[in-house]
Amino acid sequence: DGGITQSPKYLFRKEGQNVTLSCEQNLNHDAMYWYRQDPGQGLRLIYYSQIVNDFQKGDIAEGYSVSREKKESFPLTVTSAQKNPTAFYLCASSIPGHTNYGYTFGSGTRLTVV
Amino acid sequence: SQQGEEDPQALSIQEGENATMNCSYKTSINNLQWYRQNSGRGLVHLILIRSNEREKHSGRLRVTLDTSKKSSSLLITASRAADTASYFCAPSQGGSEKLVFGKGTKLTVNP
Repeated sequence: DGGITQSPKYLFRKEGQNVTLSCEQNLNHDAMYWYRQDPGQGLRLIYYSQIVNDFQKGDIAEGYSVSREKKESFPLTVTSAQKNPTAFYLCASSIPGHTNYGYTFGSGTRLTVV
Repeated sequence: SQQGEEDPQALSIQEGENATMNCSYKTSINNLQWYRQNSGRGLVHLILIRSNEREKHSGRLRVTLDTSKKSSSLLITASRAADTASYFCAPSQGGSEKLVFGKGTKLTVNP
C-alpha cells in the first residue's frame, strides 16, 4: 500500500542534542511538508519542499533543518537551537497543483525533551 | 495561504445524533478541504469541495460551501463513537499553495 512512514513513533532528546525525524513516502508525490502540533493547537508549518533538492522555510523554521536529496525522503533535524522542541511532528505529502486530492499525512513522531 | 477558523472548538453528542461543525475563512478560495485527526495520529483527508460546488456528500459526511459568506459546514449524520476525533478545515487557493490548519473542532461521540 502507498503511504507515508514516519519514524520513530516516539523520540526522546536530551538537552543540547540534535535529533533527526524520518519521513518516507512511496506515493510519488513531489511535495512534502513538516508540521508541528502542540497540545490543543493547530498545525504550524516548519519546512516544505515542492521538488527534489529544493525546500523553503515555513512559519516556524528556526531551530530546524531539512534536506530533500530524494523524492521519497524528507528528514527533519531538530537542532539544539530549538529551545522548546517537545511536540508532535507530522509529515505530509501532496501533488502540487493537483486539486482533486488533499494531503496525505504520516502517523507522526512524538518528541519529548528529557 | 489562509487559515480556516473552526467552530465550535468542542462538541459533545450522543451516538446516533448528527454533528455539525463550521469553518470560516477570509479570502477567495479554489477549494476547501476537511480532515479528521484521531488522538495521537496523523490527519486523514475526508473531503474536498471546490469553489463552484455548493454541496458534496461522502458516505455519512455532507459538506456545504457558501462562498458569499466565506463559510463551510461539515455534517456527520448518525454519528458513532468511532467518529470521536478532531476535525480541521483547510481553505485553499489551489496551485502549489501550502495548507494552513487551525485548532479544529474536537468532537466527542458518547456511546
